[in-house]
Amino acid sequence: AAGVIQSPRHLIKEKRETATLKCYPIPRHDTVYWYQQGPGQDPQFLISFYEKMQSDKGSIPDRFSAQQFSDYHSELNMSSLELGDSALYFCASSFRRGGPYEQYFGPGTRLTVT
Amino acid sequence: DAKTTQPNSMESNEEEPVHLPCNHSTISGTDYIHWYRQLPSQGPEYVIHGLTSNVNNRMASLAIAEDRKSSTLILHRATLRDAAVYYCILMVSGGSNYKLTFGKGTLLTVNP
Repeated sequence: AAGVIQSPRHLIKEKRETATLKCYPIPRHDTVYWYQQGPGQDPQFLISFYEKMQSDKGSIPDRFSAQQFSDYHSELNMSSLELGDSALYFCASSFRRGGPYEQYFGPGTRLTVT
Repeated sequence: DAKTTQPNSMESNEEEPVHLPCNHSTISGTDYIHWYRQLPSQGPEYVIHGLTSNVNNRMASLAIAEDRKSSTLILHRATLRDAAVYYCILMVSGGSNYKLTFGKGTLLTVNP
């Protein structure tokens, strides 16, 4: 079965640079979620999109922005990177219509800021 | 968000059943109980969810207390591959968002 695809899998950037993370949800899923997991931490919700509209926002810095495109893939844009942005970034997708169904996670993008 | 309480860690032997408890005394009537697990260096993985009745799937069973203030995830025969952090998460039904709020979770160790 098709899974959530994230690219790139690894990314190394320097402070103050920008980064773009991409997420391709499972076909026919209408909702995308972004989570951040720092070293030794639990995943924290950043932002979500339902049918290409932002549906919820968590602890996402103003330096970050995201969108969902017409083909339902999503991109997380991160600017003015800081050392503290080094983390695993997970994307998840779900089929929301009808209820709070399960989320399927991608393998994550490991971002290292030096 | 309604909160859950889980033991920090549990240990089991391979091929034995494992019962992972979760307390959620402030659960509201429309909150779903979800369980996810995260294996080392991987993304979280959906395990099971339920509302009021006990649920079974190929991975596990979910036993929900009659008052819904607690639940137990049951792995019928633990394998080494089940070693992971298990998260019990409440998800609000009928709202405009279904984000997952991860707590500390239970680190399950499976001994060969």
